[in-house]
Amino acid sequence: LAKTTQPISMDSYEGQEVNITCSHNNIATNDYITWYQQFPSQGPRFIIQGYKTKVTNEVASLFIPADRKSSTLSLPRVSLSDTAVYYCLVGPTSGNTPLVFGKGTRLSVIA
Amino acid sequence: EAGVTQFPSHSVIEKGQTVTLRCDPISGHDNLYWYRRVMGKEIKFLLHFVKESKQDESGMPNNRFLAERTGGTYSTLKVQPAELEDSGVYFCASSQVIRDRKTEAFFGQGTRLTVV
Repeated sequence: LAKTTQPISMDSYEGQEVNITCSHNNIATNDYITWYQQFPSQGPRFIIQGYKTKVTNEVASLFIPADRKSSTLSLPRVSLSDTAVYYCLVGPTSGNTPLVFGKGTRLSVIA
Repeated sequence: EAGVTQFPSHSVIEKGQTVTLRCDPISGHDNLYWYRRVMGKEIKFLLHFVKESKQDESGMPNNRFLAERTGGTYSTLKVQPAELEDSGVYFCASSQVIRDRKTEAFFGQGTRLTVV
């Protein structure tokens, strides 16, 4: 499974756009990139998933360059409630490979 | 639609006792996973059920842990006897397969197990 590397933590003021970059240099051809969000005392929650280029939903955008060796999760105009740990996961969506979590990035949004 | 539910939310037991954690996945989800996060560590995979069958139990720490999913619905994870190092948060997740692709995994809120 591809190993991922993310910043340990980030701070941001409310209203700013936050970009969290994840490195996955040995991503395989059939791997997808998935981001999960985890609030304290809750289980991880799916945010977004992509294979290449750009994916956008109501919560975030995911930018994936052509070589797919990294990806960037973009959160527009964060609020205090976006304070959480964000995990970047890489793996196939077919078969029975389980999700593999890294250390994640702890995002703190301050007023 | 109800999400993944876990019971109890928190359990405190003495070393040597037995504890059983329960997970009710989203109805219709064939895939059920157990994960654990020990304090200060990453979330680690324990095992994976497809319906009632154990697909992958490579993450189970040792034979004190027993997971079951009779009938392919809810699952239980029993720790017997519990040791101090078993303390942590146990997460359950479920997903379904559509056209050979797994959908996103939905996680429960976790069960915090404290062994004293």
